[in-house]
Amino acid sequence: ETGVTQSPTHLIKTRGQQVTLRCSSQSGHNTVSWYQQALGQGPQFIFQYYREEENGRGNFPPRFSGLQFPNYSSELNVNALELDDSALYLCASSPGANTEAFFGQGTRLTVV
Amino acid sequence: RKEVEQDPGPFNVPEGATVAFNCTYSNSASQSFFWYRQDCRKEPKLLMSVYSSGNEDGRFTAQLNRASQYISLLIRDSKLSDSATYLCVVSPSGGYNKLIFGAGTRLAVHP
Repeated sequence: ETGVTQSPTHLIKTRGQQVTLRCSSQSGHNTVSWYQQALGQGPQFIFQYYREEENGRGNFPPRFSGLQFPNYSSELNVNALELDDSALYLCASSPGANTEAFFGQGTRLTVV
Repeated sequence: RKEVEQDPGPFNVPEGATVAFNCTYSNSASQSFFWYRQDCRKEPKLLMSVYSSGNEDGRFTAQLNRASQYISLLIRDSKLSDSATYLCVVSPSGGYNKLIFGAGTRLAVHP
C-alpha cells in the first residue's frame, strides 16, 4: 500500500456536469500531482500542487482545476464534463521533488 | 510527435526469455528517467530509475543514451509475474514530479 488514498473509486457522470475527485496523501507529503489516463494510453500530467500553490500545469483546459489543503490533501475539479473526460484519474504524492512519487489507486470516471 | 514514444507491443514471450523494450524522448533537456510498471487496472509503480551509466536491479537492466535520447529496459529470465504494461517516463524538470509517460508496452509471459 502506498498510503495515497483516492475517492471515489468509480464514478459515472453525465455530459455537462461537474465532478470533484479527492486525494489524501501520505503524512508529510507536501507535493501532489494529478494525472489523467485514457484507456490504452499512459498517464498525462494535469497539474501539480506544492504547499497549496499550483506548481506546474500540463496541456489541459481551464475547466480542470484543483486545490491543495493545509493538510496537503487535494481535490481535482472538472467542469462541463465531456465524453472524452472518461478516464482513470491518478493522484501521486511525494515529500519532495527528488523523492519517489507514490500513486493512489485512481478514480475511474465515466462520462455518459 | 509524442514526447515519449515506446514500442507498441504487445510482447508475448515464454518463461525464461529475455525481452527488451525501447523508448525515445523528444525533449533533450529532460533530466530524470524512469521505468514504471502498471498491472491491469492498477496504479503505476516505480520499477527503476535510469542513469547514463546504466543500472541493474536483479533481472532488470536499464540504460540511457542522452545523445540519442533513447532509453531501454532489458528483462532477463522472464517470469509469469512480469506480465504487465511497462511505462517509459521522463521528467523535464528533474525529480519525480511532472512526469511525462509513454503509452506503455504490454508484456505477456506465458508458460
